[in-house]
Amino acid sequence: DGGITQSPKYLFRKEGQNVTLSCEQNLNHDAMYWYRQDPGQGLRLIYYSQIVNDFQKGDIAEGYSVSREKKESFPLTVTSAQKNPTAFYLCASSRTGMDNSPLHFGNGTRLTVT
Amino acid sequence: GESVGLHLPTLSVQEGDNSIINCAYSNSASDYFIWYKQESGKGPQFIIDIRSNMDKRQGQRVTVLLNKTVKHLSLQIAATQPGDSAVYFCAEKSTGTASKLTFGTGTRLQVTL
Repeated sequence: DGGITQSPKYLFRKEGQNVTLSCEQNLNHDAMYWYRQDPGQGLRLIYYSQIVNDFQKGDIAEGYSVSREKKESFPLTVTSAQKNPTAFYLCASSRTGMDNSPLHFGNGTRLTVT
Repeated sequence: GESVGLHLPTLSVQEGDNSIINCAYSNSASDYFIWYKQESGKGPQFIIDIRSNMDKRQGQRVTVLLNKTVKHLSLQIAATQPGDSAVYFCAEKSTGTASKLTFGTGTRLQVTL
Protein backbone atom coordinates (compact mmCIF):
# COMPACT_ATOMS: atom_id res chain seq x y z
CA ASP A 1 0.00 0.00 0.00
CA GLY A 2 1.27 3.48 -0.84
CA GLY A 3 1.10 6.01 1.92
CA ILE A 4 2.72 8.14 4.57
CA THR A 5 3.96 6.62 7.79
CA GLN A 6 4.51 8.66 10.88
CA SER A 7 6.06 7.21 13.97
CA PRO A 8 5.60 6.93 16.82
CA LYS A 9 1.89 7.66 17.28
CA TYR A 10 2.44 8.96 20.81
CA LEU A 11 5.63 10.54 22.13
CA PHE A 12 6.43 11.85 25.58
CA ARG A 13 9.42 14.03 26.45
CA LYS A 14 10.70 16.11 29.28
CA GLU A 15 11.03 19.85 28.82
CA GLY A 16 14.46 20.82 27.54
CA GLN A 17 14.96 17.72 25.40
CA ASN A 18 15.03 17.71 21.63
CA VAL A 19 12.87 15.12 19.93
CA THR A 20 12.70 13.91 16.34
CA LEU A 21 9.49 12.83 14.64
CA SER A 22 9.72 10.43 11.74
CA CYS A 23 7.88 10.72 8.42
CA GLU A 24 8.32 8.31 5.51
CA GLN A 25 6.40 8.19 2.23
CA ASN A 26 6.38 5.63 -0.57
CA LEU A 27 4.21 7.62 -2.95
CA ASN A 28 7.20 8.89 -4.94
CA HIS A 29 6.11 12.45 -4.15
CA ASP A 30 8.56 15.27 -4.54
CA ALA A 31 7.10 17.60 -1.92
CA MET A 32 6.73 16.96 1.80
CA TYR A 33 5.34 19.07 4.62
CA TRP A 34 5.04 19.30 8.37
CA TYR A 35 1.96 20.80 10.01
CA ARG A 36 1.04 21.38 13.60
CA GLN A 37 -2.54 21.01 14.84
CA ASP A 38 -3.85 22.46 18.08
CA PRO A 39 -7.42 22.16 19.43
CA GLY A 40 -9.78 24.68 17.88
CA GLN A 41 -7.28 25.74 15.23
CA GLY A 42 -6.62 24.80 11.67
CA LEU A 43 -3.40 23.20 10.53
CA ARG A 44 -0.38 25.48 10.59
CA LEU A 45 2.61 24.95 8.32
CA ILE A 46 5.96 24.42 10.03
CA TYR A 47 8.33 23.49 7.19
CA TYR A 48 8.06 22.18 3.68
CA SER A 49 10.37 20.69 1.10
CA GLN A 50 9.79 20.70 -2.64
CA ILE A 51 12.81 18.57 -3.49
CA VAL A 52 15.58 16.57 -1.87
CA ASN A 53 18.19 18.65 -0.05
CA ASP A 54 15.99 21.74 -0.07
CA PHE A 55 13.40 23.01 2.40
CA GLN A 56 11.71 26.27 3.38
CA LYS A 57 10.25 27.68 6.55
CA GLY A 58 6.51 27.76 6.91
CA ASP A 59 4.46 30.06 9.09
CA ILE A 60 5.63 28.75 12.48
CA ALA A 61 9.17 27.43 11.97
CA GLU A 62 10.72 28.84 15.13
CA GLY A 63 11.94 26.08 17.45
CA TYR A 64 11.82 23.40 14.75
CA SER A 65 14.32 21.97 12.29
CA VAL A 66 14.08 19.53 9.38
CA SER A 67 16.25 17.68 6.90
CA ARG A 68 15.52 16.17 3.50
CA GLU A 69 18.39 13.87 2.64
CA LYS A 70 16.18 11.31 0.90
CA LYS A 71 13.07 11.71 -1.20
CA GLU A 72 11.14 9.32 1.03
CA SER A 73 12.00 10.86 4.37
CA PHE A 74 11.38 14.24 6.04
CA PRO A 75 12.10 14.09 9.78
CA LEU A 76 11.11 16.96 12.06
CA THR A 77 13.09 17.88 15.16
CA VAL A 78 11.28 19.74 17.90
CA THR A 79 13.97 21.60 19.80
CA SER A 80 14.00 22.89 23.35
CA ALA A 81 13.61 26.39 21.87
CA GLN A 82 9.99 25.63 20.89
CA LYS A 83 7.94 27.28 23.62
CA ASN A 84 4.76 25.22 23.30
CA PRO A 85 5.78 21.90 21.78
CA THR A 86 2.84 19.82 22.98
CA ALA A 87 0.65 19.32 19.90
CA PHE A 88 -0.48 16.92 17.20
CA TYR A 89 2.05 16.87 14.35
CA LEU A 90 1.02 15.93 10.84
CA CYS A 91 3.29 15.07 7.94
CA ALA A 92 2.03 15.31 4.36
CA SER A 93 3.26 14.91 0.82
CA SER A 94 2.15 15.97 -2.64
CA ARG A 95 3.18 15.07 -6.16
CA THR A 96 4.95 18.39 -6.55
CA GLY A 97 5.06 21.57 -4.53
CA MET A 98 4.14 23.90 -7.35
CA ASP A 99 1.01 22.61 -9.03
CA ASN A 100 -2.45 22.29 -7.62
CA SER A 101 -2.32 18.76 -6.33
CA PRO A 102 -3.80 17.71 -3.01
CA LEU A 103 -1.74 16.90 0.04
CA HIS A 104 -1.85 13.38 1.42
CA PHE A 105 -1.45 13.12 5.18
CA GLY A 106 -0.05 10.60 7.61
CA ASN A 107 -1.92 9.72 10.80
CA GLY A 108 0.08 12.04 12.98
CA THR A 109 2.26 11.97 16.06
CA ARG A 110 0.90 13.26 19.33
CA LEU A 111 3.79 14.89 21.23
CA THR A 112 3.43 15.66 24.93
CA VAL A 113 6.17 17.61 26.67
CA THR A 114 6.08 17.92 30.45
CA GLY B 1 -8.65 9.35 20.22
CA GLU B 2 -7.22 12.79 19.51
CA SER B 3 -9.10 15.91 20.57
CA VAL B 4 -9.10 17.60 17.20
CA GLY B 5 -10.75 20.91 17.83
CA LEU B 6 -12.45 21.02 21.20
CA HIS B 7 -14.43 24.16 20.40
CA LEU B 8 -15.31 23.69 16.78
CA PRO B 9 -18.63 24.67 15.30
CA THR B 10 -20.77 21.57 15.16
CA LEU B 11 -23.34 20.46 12.64
CA SER B 12 -25.71 17.75 13.79
CA VAL B 13 -27.72 15.85 11.18
CA GLN B 14 -29.87 12.76 11.16
CA GLU B 15 -28.74 9.68 9.32
CA GLY B 16 -30.07 9.77 5.78
CA ASP B 17 -30.40 13.56 5.62
CA ASN B 18 -28.17 15.76 3.49
CA SER B 19 -25.40 17.77 5.16
CA ILE B 20 -24.06 21.13 4.10
CA ILE B 21 -20.78 22.35 5.55
CA ASN B 22 -19.73 25.90 4.80
CA CYS B 23 -16.41 27.65 4.57
CA ALA B 24 -15.58 31.30 3.99
CA TYR B 25 -12.19 32.30 2.67
CA SER B 26 -10.59 35.71 2.61
CA ASN B 27 -7.94 35.63 -0.12
CA SER B 28 -9.47 36.69 -3.42
CA ALA B 29 -6.36 35.35 -5.19
CA SER B 30 -7.07 31.78 -4.04
CA ASP B 31 -7.78 29.57 -7.01
CA TYR B 32 -7.59 26.02 -5.68
CA PHE B 33 -9.71 24.60 -2.89
CA ILE B 34 -9.79 21.27 -1.11
CA TRP B 35 -12.07 19.61 1.41
CA TYR B 36 -10.59 17.21 3.95
CA LYS B 37 -12.22 14.86 6.44
CA GLN B 38 -10.47 14.10 9.72
CA GLU B 39 -11.57 11.32 12.03
CA SER B 40 -10.47 11.18 15.62
CA GLY B 41 -6.84 10.08 15.96
CA LYS B 42 -6.15 10.18 12.24
CA GLY B 43 -4.70 12.53 9.69
CA PRO B 44 -6.90 14.51 7.28
CA GLN B 45 -8.23 12.54 4.35
CA PHE B 46 -8.73 14.13 0.93
CA ILE B 47 -12.39 14.28 -0.12
CA ILE B 48 -12.68 16.51 -3.16
CA ASP B 49 -11.04 19.55 -4.74
CA ILE B 50 -12.12 22.31 -7.09
CA ARG B 51 -10.35 24.92 -9.18
CA SER B 52 -11.55 28.46 -9.50
CA ASN B 53 -12.57 28.03 -13.13
CA MET B 54 -15.42 25.82 -11.89
CA ASP B 55 -18.32 26.57 -9.57
CA LYS B 56 -19.42 23.00 -8.90
CA ARG B 57 -17.83 19.61 -8.78
CA GLN B 58 -19.36 16.28 -7.83
CA GLY B 59 -17.87 13.16 -6.37
CA GLN B 60 -19.35 10.08 -4.82
CA ARG B 61 -22.11 11.38 -2.51
CA VAL B 62 -20.31 14.72 -2.20
CA THR B 63 -20.61 18.00 -4.05
CA VAL B 64 -18.46 21.08 -3.65
CA LEU B 65 -19.83 24.48 -4.59
CA LEU B 66 -17.65 27.52 -5.07
CA ASN B 67 -18.94 31.09 -5.05
CA LYS B 68 -16.03 33.34 -5.85
CA THR B 69 -18.13 36.49 -5.67
CA VAL B 70 -18.69 36.12 -1.95
CA LYS B 71 -15.62 33.94 -1.32
CA HIS B 72 -17.63 30.99 -0.08
CA LEU B 73 -17.15 27.27 -0.40
CA SER B 74 -19.53 24.53 0.64
CA LEU B 75 -19.45 20.76 0.89
CA GLN B 76 -22.69 18.87 0.46
CA ILE B 77 -22.90 15.26 1.61
CA ALA B 78 -25.89 13.31 0.36
CA ALA B 79 -27.62 10.69 2.51
CA THR B 80 -25.33 11.25 5.47
CA GLN B 81 -24.13 8.10 7.19
CA PRO B 82 -22.69 7.48 10.67
CA GLY B 83 -19.28 6.98 9.07
CA ASP B 84 -19.40 10.57 7.89
CA SER B 85 -19.04 11.79 11.49
CA ALA B 86 -15.75 13.66 11.58
CA VAL B 87 -14.20 17.11 11.45
CA TYR B 88 -14.23 18.68 8.00
CA PHE B 89 -11.66 21.25 6.87
CA CYS B 90 -11.54 23.44 3.83
CA ALA B 91 -8.18 24.56 2.48
CA GLU B 92 -7.26 27.17 -0.12
CA LYS B 93 -4.22 27.97 -2.20
CA SER B 94 -3.13 30.63 -4.65
CA THR B 95 -1.37 29.81 -7.90
CA GLY B 96 2.27 30.70 -7.60
CA THR B 97 2.25 30.37 -3.85
CA ALA B 98 4.28 27.22 -3.69
CA SER B 99 3.15 24.71 -1.13
CA LYS B 100 1.10 27.20 0.83
CA LEU B 101 -2.24 25.60 1.57
CA THR B 102 -4.17 27.61 4.16
CA PHE B 103 -6.60 25.60 6.29
CA GLY B 104 -9.80 26.70 7.93
CA THR B 105 -10.49 25.85 11.56
CA GLY B 106 -12.90 23.02 10.77
CA THR B 107 -16.50 21.98 11.38
CA ARG B 108 -17.49 18.92 13.36
CA LEU B 109 -20.23 16.83 11.73
CA GLN B 110 -22.25 14.63 14.09
CA VAL B 111 -24.59 12.10 12.56
CA THR B 112 -27.43 10.99 14.77
CA LEU B 113 -29.33 7.76 14.31
